[in-house]
Amino acid sequence: GAVVSQHPSWVICKSGTSVKIECRSLDFQATTMFWYRQFPKQSLMLMATSNEGSKATYEQGVEKDKFLINHASLTLSTLTVTSAHPEDSSFYICSARPSGGFSYNEQFFGPGTRLTVL
Amino acid sequence: GNSVTQMEGPVTLSEEAFLTINCTYTATGYPSLFWYVQYPGEGLQLLLKATKADDKGSNKGFEATYRKETTSFHLEKGSVQVSDSAVYFCALTVQGAQKLVFGQGTRLTINP
Repeated sequence: GAVVSQHPSWVICKSGTSVKIECRSLDFQATTMFWYRQFPKQSLMLMATSNEGSKATYEQGVEKDKFLINHASLTLSTLTVTSAHPEDSSFYICSARPSGGFSYNEQFFGPGTRLTVL
Repeated sequence: GNSVTQMEGPVTLSEEAFLTINCTYTATGYPSLFWYVQYPGEGLQLLLKATKADDKGSNKGFEATYRKETTSFHLEKGSVQVSDSAVYFCALTVQGAQKLVFGQGTRLTINP
């Protein structure tokens, strides 16, 4: 149990286009999901915390108008990178915290989405 | 504030060697501590965790003990395998906070 999927697993797009990444909790409900960005050989940088039915909370320095987050249901959060540029190329990882039935501190991670902007 | 410091990598060992990856933390309150592993091209997987002082987390031959007196959570394995090659992240979260705070990660390479 406690599986999180991401789609797509990789995407290549042209500069100026928008890309949507989906994060789904497959066998549990998640009130809270998190979006991270990981640069090569570096740690994870938390971008935002996504709460179902409310606005996401963005970390300092993350542009909310560029990285749009929607958490429309208890099993789905989406990250849209708007007007993508090459510097947005990165590995994006989501995690989900179960609403109940698990340790309150536990998060389960998706496999990641590699975005390449040409 | 809350932070995690890991030993700098990369770490390269031979198969069957003993592994230690150091992790120390600072936290307000009483944190829960985690080790995550990231295999090449994949997301993070929880390796083990400990939620209170003196707890020992263990999984797949790896162990880590929550040491409050030294604010440490060092990862150990008695005999590593080539398949253990990955990046290892130490992390914490504190009660009342939603966020995981990660260390910088340690890249481990095991040679046959």
